[in-house]
Amino acid sequence: GESVGLHLPTLSVQEGDNSIINCAYSNSASDYFIWYKQESGKGPQFIIDIRSNMDKRQGQRVTVLLNKTVKHLSLQIAATQPGDSAVYFCAENGSGGGSNYKLTFGKGTLLTVNP
Amino acid sequence: GAVVSQHPSRVICKSGTSVKIECRSLDFQATTMFWYRQFPKQSLMLMATSNEGSKATYEQGVEKDKFLINHASLTLSTLTVTSAHPEDSSFYICSALVPGAHGYTFGSGTRLTVV
Repeated sequence: GESVGLHLPTLSVQEGDNSIINCAYSNSASDYFIWYKQESGKGPQFIIDIRSNMDKRQGQRVTVLLNKTVKHLSLQIAATQPGDSAVYFCAENGSGGGSNYKLTFGKGTLLTVNP
Repeated sequence: GAVVSQHPSRVICKSGTSVKIECRSLDFQATTMFWYRQFPKQSLMLMATSNEGSKATYEQGVEKDKFLINHASLTLSTLTVTSAHPEDSSFYICSALVPGAHGYTFGSGTRLTVV
């Protein structure tokens, strides 16, 4: 997984714009990826997931793209709203299908939506 | 469905005392639970994996004698921070592996402040 830094990357967007949040992972054996949203003082909230046999998955207003060649994951949020303001984390399951279900979290990105 | 309840949400304790944090699965049996620690503006760091009926598996650098984990039933895992010190002040989050879905559900977190 990624190393954890002391400063969260930040992304500031205008309400109604599309947001793209990026994440790099290091474990080529990871086969399951999840995006989480975390609001201040709360636990992570599931947004969308994707397995390694896919390169794109869409949900309501969100799309996750997976590029296994460069080990990159992105989260696209359409028509970003003020309620989307939060920290977004990618997480990977590096078990490669084994019995180890540990999740490794990326460093997170703070999304701020300006009205 | 697949809800995890974490208590307390906030606790302040004196240095040298112990604090217990509970994580309950409300509508499913959680064979595997995870405990994370999160410092301000940082990512979630896995502390240990808790398996019902067996000893927890701790991540490197996490003191098992300081962070006692008990997972005696399929619906309850507890984390006890023993002899707490101010540097243990953090946000602790539990998570459970949801059976059959290969997914995870998170508790709402516990803000521990040691004074």
